Amino acid sequence: DQQVKQNSPSLSVQEGRISILNCDYTNSMFDYFLWYKKYPAEGPTFLISISSIKDKNEDGRFTVFLNKSAKHLSLHIVPSQPGDSAVYFCAARVRISGGSNYKLTFGKGTLLTVNP
Amino acid sequence: NAGVTQTPKFRVLKTGQSMTLLCAQDMNHEYMYWYRQDPGMGLRLIHYSVGEGTTAKGEVPDGYNVSRLKKQNFLLGLESAAPSQTSVYFCASSKHPGQGTNTEAFFGQGTRLTVV
Repeated sequence: DQQVKQNSPSLSVQEGRISILNCDYTNSMFDYFLWYKKYPAEGPTFLISISSIKDKNEDGRFTVFLNKSAKHLSLHIVPSQPGDSAVYFCAARVRISGGSNYKLTFGKGTLLTVNP
Repeated sequence: NAGVTQTPKFRVLKTGQSMTLLCAQDMNHEYMYWYRQDPGMGLRLIHYSVGEGTTAKGEVPDGYNVSRLKKQNFLLGLESAAPSQTSVYFCASSKHPGQGTNTEAFFGQGTRLTVV
């Protein structure tokens, strides 16, 4: 049962245009959503996050939007640059039942290619 | 600033052999995680630890054991390697998330394991 879904395995955009990466989730108990970026042969690095009580968070060229009613979030990159080409993972955090601990669940990732 | 360091970076095992992957973090983080990444599967949680001396199962724990004897180290063991365990393994660490706050996970560079 995949609770965090990234239905697009890949996305290709032109440099300077907007990149929109999508993520859907099924667990209404997720309290934080995070985006990670991964280059080949490197570990994932944190990009941006959003609390479940917010609907938008912006950091420079990166904006994450959360639509709780639709259980959907998206990452917007404007303008896209060739250096943004990487795999982007959506992740969601949930409290482990019965305690004060949490765990992260990741989607399968979307490969973004930004063409010069 | 070492962050999260994984040892080794590459390894080839024969079926039935055993090995231990070492993860070390110097950020005094409470939480540590082991993930595996397979093509088309994203990052799947194997085991995790919420503090020294504690471990818990993730999504895909079978065939693996872990230990967290020291806060800074998290060991992942394969007692009898199988070809299905061919994967890239990532270790990560984070602060205790705490309610209402976001705590990103920091990842190591990965260990590429091939079981023949």
